[in-house]
Amino acid sequence: QQQVKQSPQSLIVQKGGISIINCAYENTAFDYFPWYQQFPGKGPALLIAIRPDVSEKKEGRFTISFNKSAKQFSLHIMDSQPGDSATYFCAATQETSGSRLTFGEGTQLTVNP
Amino acid sequence: ETGVTQSPTHLIKTRGQQVTLRCSSQSGHNTVSWYQQALGQGPQFIFQYYREEENGRGNFPPRFSGLQFPNYSSELNVNALELDDSALYLCASRVGAGPGYTFGSGTRLTVV
Repeated sequence: QQQVKQSPQSLIVQKGGISIINCAYENTAFDYFPWYQQFPGKGPALLIAIRPDVSEKKEGRFTISFNKSAKQFSLHIMDSQPGDSATYFCAATQETSGSRLTFGEGTQLTVNP
Repeated sequence: ETGVTQSPTHLIKTRGQQVTLRCSSQSGHNTVSWYQQALGQGPQFIFQYYREEENGRGNFPPRFSGLQFPNYSSELNVNALELDDSALYLCASRVGAGPGYTFGSGTRLTVV
């Protein structure tokens, strides 16, 4: 049962452009929404995370937008760089249930020079 | 470096065999989780251990089992390997109950 749906599956952006990745969730008990970045041959690394009591969180070039009523959240990468080329996963968890992570299917981002 | 070390990095096994994958977490990380990541997919939760006891399990059969040791290391054991078990197996650890996991680089298991 896929509880977190992610789109698009792949994304190609020019250097300096904005990359946008979207996720939707079903379980309203989720209370923590992290984004992970994964390079080939490596494990996922936490990029940025948000809780449902805020609508936006920004860290450097990375911003999460969160819409609780629509059960959707998105990652925006401003001024995308070739070094941002990686696979990005959204995830969701419910801290009271042990914080197991439910991941989306992933988005392979390519930033062309 | 993440501070979570997994071994081996790659492994090839034959269908029906058994395999043990190992993870060494950072000191103080008393919660460890294991995930299976099939090619082109997001990681899927297998199970979680807290202070050496299993405290959560995903939709995986009993032939997937684990152990956590007092020295912050852990194991994932898979019996009666099937072709579909071919995947990247990720170990993730954290301190206490917070959601801030640190992932290892994984073990790539190929079942032939």
